[in-house]
Amino acid sequence: GAVVSQHPSRVICKSGTSVKIECRSLDFQATTMFWYRQFPKQSLMLMATSNEGSKATYEQGVEKDKFLINHASLTLSTLTVTSAHPEDSSFYICSARGQNFYEQYFGPGTRLTVT
Amino acid sequence: SQKIEQNSEALNIQEGKTATLTCNYTNYSPAYLQWYRQDPGRGPVFLLLIRENEKEKRKERLKVTFDTTLKQSLFHITASQPADSATYLCALRNTGNQFYFGTGTSLTVIP
Repeated sequence: GAVVSQHPSRVICKSGTSVKIECRSLDFQATTMFWYRQFPKQSLMLMATSNEGSKATYEQGVEKDKFLINHASLTLSTLTVTSAHPEDSSFYICSARGQNFYEQYFGPGTRLTVT
Repeated sequence: SQKIEQNSEALNIQEGKTATLTCNYTNYSPAYLQWYRQDPGRGPVFLLLIRENEKEKRKERLKVTFDTTLKQSLFHITASQPADSATYLCALRNTGNQFYFGTGTSLTVIP
């Protein structure tokens, strides 16, 4: 089946530093990937839609200069949280849409803690 | 404003009973609706998809209905088991091809 991996699974960083999270589709090509964040006991909030070879489309209220997204290949998208602050601490989840347009496959998530 | 609301934050039922979860949406015209399962600290796992022209979909012990007039989907788990305990999320695809998720319902099946 379609597998999506994320790396790292957990990361702790200091305030003011940048953190990069990778999302890979392991056994399929993903022309579109999505990035979500999830706060404790809340649902997933879509941050941006990433299409291979083009600029990401950000949801309203998401700072594109703070959350840099690069979808450099059909199997890899990265999210870089720049100048991280404690309020950026969250669970970040990516998903990828494969050939079946109707389904998206989620990664296991990355727990970011900013101290 | 657009909303996707799931009936209750938490639902407890006895093992063997049928769990029914509700998803209501406003100001969307989804082409289809999906249900996902999420375990703590994990990403969601796709369960079922139902299109706007379908009334009902089944998969093993799972059943989903979709009423576009009521703007509601019901998700049923029959013969529930403790292993079914998880958070269940509904999601809509909008015209821009993004997926938007509901607030989630935490289901606990009591042995």
